[in-house]
Amino acid sequence: KAGVTQTPRYLIKTRGQQVTLSCSPISGHRSVSWYQQTPGQGLQFLFEYFSETQRNKGNFPGRFSGRQFSNSRSEMNVSTLELGDSALYLCASSLESVGTNEKLFFGSGTQLSVL
Amino acid sequence: GQNIDQPTEMTATEGAIVQINCTYQTSGFNGLFWYQQHAGEAPTFLSYNVLDGLEEKGRFSSFLSRSKGYSYLLLKELQMKDSASYLCAVRDWRRDDKIIFGKGTRLHILP
Repeated sequence: KAGVTQTPRYLIKTRGQQVTLSCSPISGHRSVSWYQQTPGQGLQFLFEYFSETQRNKGNFPGRFSGRQFSNSRSEMNVSTLELGDSALYLCASSLESVGTNEKLFFGSGTQLSVL
Repeated sequence: GQNIDQPTEMTATEGAIVQINCTYQTSGFNGLFWYQQHAGEAPTFLSYNVLDGLEEKGRFSSFLSRSKGYSYLLLKELQMKDSASYLCAVRDWRRDDKIIFGKGTRLHILP
């Protein structure tokens, strides 16, 4: 069974641009969560999607948004990029919503650099 | 709010035992996870505790005390490949079961 796939692996953008990151969960998994990872702050929760609905949201500005498609694939979008958005963006999937004791399976992430 | 604290870095010797502590404050505790993350790679699941006590899985064990808001990950017979970051994460039912991660402990193994 293929793992969680994130594309692209690396991305370089300039301030003010927008970016879209993609995540394909493990086949059969319906929940997709997104995290931002930086050396200083660790893993910070962005949002969780379950069956195409945003179930949970972290404390990030509205420039960060996401969606989930009927095949459970998810995208996240960051508009008007800032230097501080440079980070590793990790996607994680689980079979059911994270409200159960389901563990998260992570992708390798997208390393975003904003210049 | 929610606070998860773990040491930033630790160093141990190959073949030894190391204990990585994690303390948390949350009003809606609903489970604690430990993940391992090698540099440049995805975090991978190690253990899950929701009841007090010790969960053993090979060389790795995880302990939980809910009354103390405390967990530890115990790694025995350390190997060089155990050099990684170890992430403690707590699920909070008062926050719609979000899984919130600590900043991680970077473990260095010396030969």
